[in-house]
Amino acid sequence: GDSVTQMEGPVTLSEEAFLTINCTYTATGYPSLFWYVQYPGEGLQLLLKATKADDKGSNKGFEATYRKETTSFHLEKGSVQVSDSAVYFCALLFSGGYNKLIFGAGTRLAVHP
Amino acid sequence: NAGVTQTPKFQVLKTGQSMTLQCAQDMNHNSMYWYRQDPGMGLRLIYYSASEGTTDKGEVPNGYNVSRLNKREFSLRLESAAPSQTSVYFCASSDQVYNEQFFGPGTRLTVL
Repeated sequence: GDSVTQMEGPVTLSEEAFLTINCTYTATGYPSLFWYVQYPGEGLQLLLKATKADDKGSNKGFEATYRKETTSFHLEKGSVQVSDSAVYFCALLFSGGYNKLIFGAGTRLAVHP
Repeated sequence: NAGVTQTPKFQVLKTGQSMTLQCAQDMNHNSMYWYRQDPGMGLRLIYYSASEGTTDKGEVPNGYNVSRLNKREFSLRLESAAPSQTSVYFCASSDQVYNEQFFGPGTRLTVL
């Protein structure tokens, strides 16, 4: 069945470092892909998305490119800030319909000054 | 425009007690969802409702029931709580055009 695999955390970085969080997926067809972010004590917020192969989603300095050939959707940011500390979830839209999202386990990012 | 709201924010139950988690959205979305979040497991879908009057089981429905009261409200009921149901519960809603899900702030439930 459809599934999402993310790199395990926690990821610990210094401020202004480069961030990559890996995400790969298994799915029938070409699902829409999403990154959600969860700040401490809050619900999930949509960070960015891509709906077809080679699309690049971007928001708040974060980017991810939908790579069909490697079934990947890695999250990147060129210079992280302390305020980026959160848990990041990769997700795909289930191909069976009803807009069901399938989530990865989440990757915790901690950014230190 | 409050988005998705959930009540309560926190709850402690004893094994065997029952309770209902409430969720409401004001975005006129057709679809609504209940997830649970456990450490290292991401979010898992408990139940969803594609439209008013319909509900379907998700990945982990055992021990739960749901009611889609109207287009705005979708409640989750635990009839006889068990310690394995200790978790953070999130409600979400989405439209069917952009397929973006919007999440509530969550309910942290502890079952002793």
